[in-house]
Amino acid sequence: DAGVIQSPRHEVTEMGQEVTLRCKPISGHDYLFWYRQTMMRGLELLIYFNNNVPIDDSGMPEDRFSAKMPNASFSTLKIQPSEPRDSAVYFCASSLFGTGSYNEQFFGPGTRLTVL
Amino acid sequence: DQQVKQNSPSLSVQEGRISILNCDYTNSMFDYFLWYKKYPAEGPTFLISISSIKDKNEDGRFTVFLNKSAKHLSLHIVPSQPGDSAVYFCAASGNDYKLSFGAGTTVTVRA
Repeated sequence: DAGVIQSPRHEVTEMGQEVTLRCKPISGHDYLFWYRQTMMRGLELLIYFNNNVPIDDSGMPEDRFSAKMPNASFSTLKIQPSEPRDSAVYFCASSLFGTGSYNEQFFGPGTRLTVL
Repeated sequence: DQQVKQNSPSLSVQEGRISILNCDYTNSMFDYFLWYKKYPAEGPTFLISISSIKDKNEDGRFTVFLNKSAKHLSLHIVPSQPGDSAVYFCAASGNDYKLSFGAGTTVTVRA
């Protein structure tokens, strides 16, 4: 299996621009998570989906952030408009309930976002 | 509000010696605990876990200890190897299937 795939790996944009991060989970996994990693706050959960349905978006920082999962093999995290404080590494993770170690999540390589 | 805390941001250990990483949590509803390892430019990868009904879980060179009364867990790596140099995250979960992560501890294994 290719693992969780994220694109782009690096994104540099200017303040005010729209940014879209993409994620392809591991085939067959029914949970998908979006995380953000910063020096100040560490690794924090933004939102997660179960069977393509958003379950908990309480970690989404502001209305500028939105996430969708139109099908089981694709999810996007969008920031519009972007601000310099959004600069961070964004990780996508997926898991399959009931198999392997409970709650083991498989992470993608991350997208490093820089907003100038 | 950090519910999972790793108070040591870094740890340096000589190759062959034991590495001990510590983690504290505040939420008494957490019932499952995991350790993840992260190399630069990669995502975190699962290392080892423990359920709240146990106090120890061992997997090769890695052992996790859980002290529920103290809300404390630790990860022991014996013996430490150069390939163990990475950032280690402690994570905890309750019944909502979400993971709360600590800030991470950077381990450097010296030759």
